[in-house]
Parts: sequence; C-alpha cells; structure tokens
Amino acid sequence: EDQVTQSPEALRLQEGESSSLNCSYTVSGLRGLFWYRQDPGKGPEFLFTLYSAGEEKEKERLKATLTKKESFLHITAPKPEDSATYLCAVQNYGGATNKLIFGTGTLLAVQP
Amino acid sequence: DVKVTQSSRYLVKRTGEKVFLECVQDMDHENMFWYRQDPGLGLRLIYFSYDVKMKEKGDIPEGYSVSREKKERFSLILESASTNQTSMYLCASSFAGGSQTQYFGPGTRLLVL
Repeated sequence: EDQVTQSPEALRLQEGESSSLNCSYTVSGLRGLFWYRQDPGKGPEFLFTLYSAGEEKEKERLKATLTKKESFLHITAPKPEDSATYLCAVQNYGGATNKLIFGTGTLLAVQP
Repeated sequence: DVKVTQSSRYLVKRTGEKVFLECVQDMDHENMFWYRQDPGLGLRLIYFSYDVKMKEKGDIPEGYSVSREKKERFSLILESASTNQTSMYLCASSFAGGSQTQYFGPGTRLLVL
C-alpha cells in the first residue's frame, strides 16, 4: 500500500538554527514528490516538486532533496516567518491518475 | 500566478441541511479536486474531476457528491450534512499532463451543528 510518513511531527527551532524535516515514502512507482507549506487556517502553498533520486531544488532558506526512499526538506538559518506546517505528498504511476498521497505534516515553530 | 478561490472561508450549518461548496480556478486546469483535512488524519481525497461532467471517487466519497458543469468550476455538495462532516475543505486544481502540481484554494472551514 502506498504510504507517506513525515517526521518529526513537531519541531521547535531557535532563529538561525538549521535543521531537516523527513518524508519517507512507499510507492510502487514514483511519479513525483511534492512539498507544500501550510499556514494555520489556510490552504497548502506549493513549494517544490521532485521527480527522481538525486534531484535537489532550492528556494530561499529551503532545500529539498530526494532519494529512492525519502525526501528531506533542509531549512538553513530559519526565521520566525518560516513557522508553518510542512506537508509532503507523492504521486504514484500505478495509482489513480493525478492522485496525491499526503503525509500528516511537520509543524515547525521558529522562535526569535 | 495560479489562483484557486473558494466560495466561503467559514460556514456554519445545521444537521440535515444541504450544503454547497464552490471552487473556481483561473488557470485552465483540466483536473480539479476536493479534499478534507482533519487533525491527525492529513488531507484525504473526496472526489476529483478530470474533465467537464467527469468525476471519480476518491478515498472518502460517502455523504458527498460533486458537480462540474464548466471547466473552471467544481462544486462539492453535502446532501444532508452531519456533525462528522465538520472539517476543513480544500479545493485544488492541476494540469492533466506535465508536472501535475496541484494548487490549492484557501479552504472552507465548515462547522455542522
């Protein structure tokens, strides 16, 4: 069964303290892995799509990487405005067309 | 910029009422989706549509129906609202080909009393 597990569930960092969020996945054939940011009470905001192992993408203080079993979202020198829930999702070649399977997210709090 | 809008940010309804949630996208996307999001359960797919008048059930379609009469508009209908349908409802859209990245609307928080 296709599955996405994110860890940790919650993470508290001091401003400037770099860290990584993990997304482990099990799919029969990965079409794409997606990272989203979600602020409280709002819809998810798209960050990155990764398609193959070894691929990396960056945006400001965020860098996403992908292996055959997991993806990491590295946050370098975070600021309080990076506080949000970060969601990971995968799309499977073998599943229903266009369907995304989501993890339950990592709640990140960055303290000044 | 992709824009997905939802008709209401907050709704309060009574048990048994018929509820309509509407979603509009302006990117000419073929695919549109309805999810619900609950604490600890993540996002779960209710229905999706890959073309006008076409729909497919997601993981939790029971108690819901959908309508897509125009390409840009996708409606979620709760035929007879129940308290266990209290949730955050999120609409998304994507192209059928290419990256298929889904773009989300701001969400509707529905409370059923």
